[in-house]
Amino acid sequence: GQNIDQPTEMTATEGAIVQINCTYQTSGFNGLFWYQQHAGEAPTFLSYNVLDGLEEKGRFSSFLSRSKGYSYLLLKELQMKDSASYLCAVLDSNYQLIWGAGTKLIIKP
Amino acid sequence: GAGVSQSPRYKVAKRGQDVALRCDPISGHVSLFWYQQALGQGPEFLTYFQNEAQLDKSGLPSDRFFAERPEGSVSTLKIQRTQQEDSAVYLCASSEDRGHVEKLFFGSGTQLSVL
Repeated sequence: GQNIDQPTEMTATEGAIVQINCTYQTSGFNGLFWYQQHAGEAPTFLSYNVLDGLEEKGRFSSFLSRSKGYSYLLLKELQMKDSASYLCAVLDSNYQLIWGAGTKLIIKP
Repeated sequence: GAGVSQSPRYKVAKRGQDVALRCDPISGHVSLFWYQQALGQGPEFLTYFQNEAQLDKSGLPSDRFFAERPEGSVSTLKIQRTQQEDSAVYLCASSEDRGHVEKLFFGSGTQLSVL
């Protein structure tokens, strides 16, 4: 079966750095996405990785290792507005998005 | 509009009632997806349209669920004889085409509560 694992909840301090991990087992791979979702709102696109390595975009970076079935999202200089759920999703061989359950990130002052 | 619009924002239904959820995708977007998101979970795929053609409905949980997009723009997800387990947020997303799924835009969802 297809499976995406990420921690249920993480807590970090304002101004700090946090790394959210995601491991996946899917039928085929056509890229991995990270989305941010604030409570009661739509998921919004953060990053897309299809090749191994690190993609940096401002305070957010995303890393992929296809051989390990592993990705992480790195958030730097955390702000209170970063409190949200972070969803990892993999595009499988049928070009269907398979989603993890999300990691709820709590930022404390 | 500039984004994907869904209505109603909230829907409360009595068990056994039929409901219809509407999605207005971004103008010109060919691909339209429906997802079901239970509390504390990630979205689960329901169905996919390319223009007016429903190319994949493998995620629809039962024959009580029906979706249409007759003119290739607005889509409606209909749930007949609602059950408590249908309570969830129903998300609609659109993209220019399936090859650009990395540019998937989501609506804010319809939160359905079945009592």
